[in-house]
Amino acid sequence: EIVLTQSPDTLSLSPGERATLSCRASQSVSSYLAWYQQKPGQAPRLLIYDASNRATGIPARFSGSGSGTDFTLTISSLEPEDFAVYYCQQRSNWPPTFGPGTKVDIK
Amino acid sequence: QVQLQESGPGLVKPSGTLSLTCAVSGGSISSNNWWSWVRQPPGKGLEWIGEIYHSGSTNYNPSLKSRVTISVDKSKNQFSLKLSSVTAADTAVYYCARVLLARSFDYWGQGTLVTVSS
Repeated sequence: EIVLTQSPDTLSLSPGERATLSCRASQSVSSYLAWYQQKPGQAPRLLIYDASNRATGIPARFSGSGSGTDFTLTISSLEPEDFAVYYCQQRSNWPPTFGPGTKVDIK
Repeated sequence: QVQLQESGPGLVKPSGTLSLTCAVSGGSISSNNWWSWVRQPPGKGLEWIGEIYHSGSTNYNPSLKSRVTISVDKSKNQFSLKLSSVTAADTAVYYCARVLLARSFDYWGQGTLVTVSS
């Protein structure tokens, strides 16, 4: 089973700042990595699939990069609605696994 | 717009069987997608449980495989989850989701909390 590690655990930023979230895989997942946003009491929302493709309706301020074992989710300028928990997920190897999450909170 | 809605008992007794159904609307369960169950214990992360294709083919998480059954009812456009021999560790919000490109989860239900307690 592939283990995904996310860093940092918590990112404290102000609206308008740039957020950079990291996801590292215990072995290569090629480009088969997705990012999700989850707000309290809500289901996860797909942001990025296949490492760098924005899902339908996702604003351009969200971007993903990376391949192999190291991936990054960047939010170019934080909006108030972006403060949430972000998870990465792989499906390159069986079974699909999720990272533990990074919480982006308001500084 | 595809929508998914979970339903089922919110309380299950220890050693019992958890049963949930996911109704799909706005799209066909017979489309070229897999359909999954994912769970999230309170305050914790996400765990993939398993998935089904409209043909009835299934894949399960090895950690749960001995206790999980996922089935599909094409006539009702829905799929279901059964998890047997439950313990308090199975208390979680259970989500159903559609699988995109066999790799990520693009549509999710709102989730339903299932508590295992006597």
